[in-house]
Amino acid sequence: AQSVTQLDSQVPVFEEAPVELRCNYSSSVSVYLFWYVQYPNQGLQLLLKYLSGSTLVKGINGFEAEFNKSQTSFHLRKPSVHISDTAEYFCAVSDYNTDKLIFGTGTRLQVFP
Amino acid sequence: NAGVTQTPKFQVLKTGQSMTLQCAQDMNHNSMYWYRQDPGMGLRLIYYSASEGTTDKGEVPNGYNVSRLNKREFSLRLESAAPSQTSVYFCASSAGRGTGSYEQYFGPGTRLTVT
Repeated sequence: AQSVTQLDSQVPVFEEAPVELRCNYSSSVSVYLFWYVQYPNQGLQLLLKYLSGSTLVKGINGFEAEFNKSQTSFHLRKPSVHISDTAEYFCAVSDYNTDKLIFGTGTRLQVFP
Repeated sequence: NAGVTQTPKFQVLKTGQSMTLQCAQDMNHNSMYWYRQDPGMGLRLIYYSASEGTTDKGEVPNGYNVSRLNKREFSLRLESAAPSQTSVYFCASSAGRGTGSYEQYFGPGTRLTVT
C-alpha cells in the first residue's frame, strides 16, 4: 500500500528566507507526485506535479520540487518566501493504476515579517 | 467556468439528523471524490466515483452514502449524523484514468458541525 509522510507538521520561517518542506513516500510501483497548497478557509490548489521526465519540477508562486527515486522523496522548496505563502501544504501520491490520491498529513508554513 | 462547487458552505446538525452535501463540476471530468479533513490527519477519502453510475468506498466510508447523479454531480449523504462526523468536507474531480491528466480539482469545502 502507498503512504506519504510529511516530516514536519509546522515550519516557521522569516520573510525572504529559503524554505524546504519535506515529503517521503512509499510505494511498490511507479508513482505520480503532487504538492497542493491550502490557504485559510479555502480548498486545495495544485502547486506542482511530477509525472515523468525531469526530476526538478517548477510550479506556481516560485515553488519547485525535486523527485528523488532512490530516497523516495519529493521535497518542496522556495528560495525566498513571502508573507502570502503562509498556508498549509500537502504532498500526495498516486500510482499508475489508479486515479486516487493518498495525502500526507500536511505542513503548516508560517512566514513571519 | 466555476470549476467545482459545493453547497452548503456551513451546516450545523444535531446528532441523528440527516443531510446531503451537494457537489457539481463543469469540467466534464469522469472521476469525482469526497474527502474529509480533520486537524493533523490530512485529507481522507470517503468515497469516489470513477465514472457516471459507479461508486467505490475509500478509506473512511462508514456512516456515509453517495450518489453519482450524472456526470456533473456527486452527492454525499449522512443518514444519521454523529459528533465524530464534525469535519470539513471537500469534493474534488479529475479527468480520470487514461486521459493523461492526473491532478484533482477541489471545491471550497463544507464545514459541518454535529452537536
